Amino acid sequence: QQQVKQSPQSLIVQKGGISIINCAYENTAFDYFPWYQQFPGKGPALLIAIRPDVSEKKEGRFTISFNKSAKQFSLHIMDSQPGDSATYFCAAGTDNYGQNFVFGPGTRLSVLP
Amino acid sequence: DGGITQSPKYLFRKEGQNVTLSCEQNLNHDAMYWYRQDPGQGLRLIYYSQIVNDFQKGDIAEGYSVSREKKESFPLTVTSAQKNPTAFYLCASRWTGTRLDEQFFGPGTRLTVL
Repeated sequence: QQQVKQSPQSLIVQKGGISIINCAYENTAFDYFPWYQQFPGKGPALLIAIRPDVSEKKEGRFTISFNKSAKQFSLHIMDSQPGDSATYFCAAGTDNYGQNFVFGPGTRLSVLP
Repeated sequence: DGGITQSPKYLFRKEGQNVTLSCEQNLNHDAMYWYRQDPGQGLRLIYYSQIVNDFQKGDIAEGYSVSREKKESFPLTVTSAQKNPTAFYLCASRWTGTRLDEQFFGPGTRLTVL
């Protein structure tokens, strides 16, 4: 019940296209859903996060869509650029003290020029 | 500048040796974490600490040890009992207030066993 599933494992998109990565969770206690971006040889960095009181959050070219009833959330990258090529991790967590984030296995995105 | 530092960036170890990876943060975060990342894989939790002088095993703690004597520091020792220690190690921290917030990651240490 603590697992977060993520798909696809890898994704290749042409420059200017839309990249979509999907995640699903089981634990209904999760109430914070961040996405992390990781470049090779670097630590992950927070890209965007959402709480279940909204169904969508947009920051620039990055949008999270959240479906509470389906227990799914997704990352959309509009107008994908070669500089977006990285590994993306979704995660889920709760505000309960002592509970840790659960990370998805990651999606390697390659944006072709 | 506030953040998390890890040292060294690259570390080479001979089989049978213990090595200690450093993690320091000046974000005044209570919670600190160690993750292991293998090529093309996700993040696996090794150990975590919610408060000074207390720490808990994560999913893959065997062959590792930690200490948390100071709020700012959470060193990880990779012991000779760890059968396959070559990996990328990431330290992270976050605030443990009433509302869950961002978990910050360090730049990582790449450990190679020769």
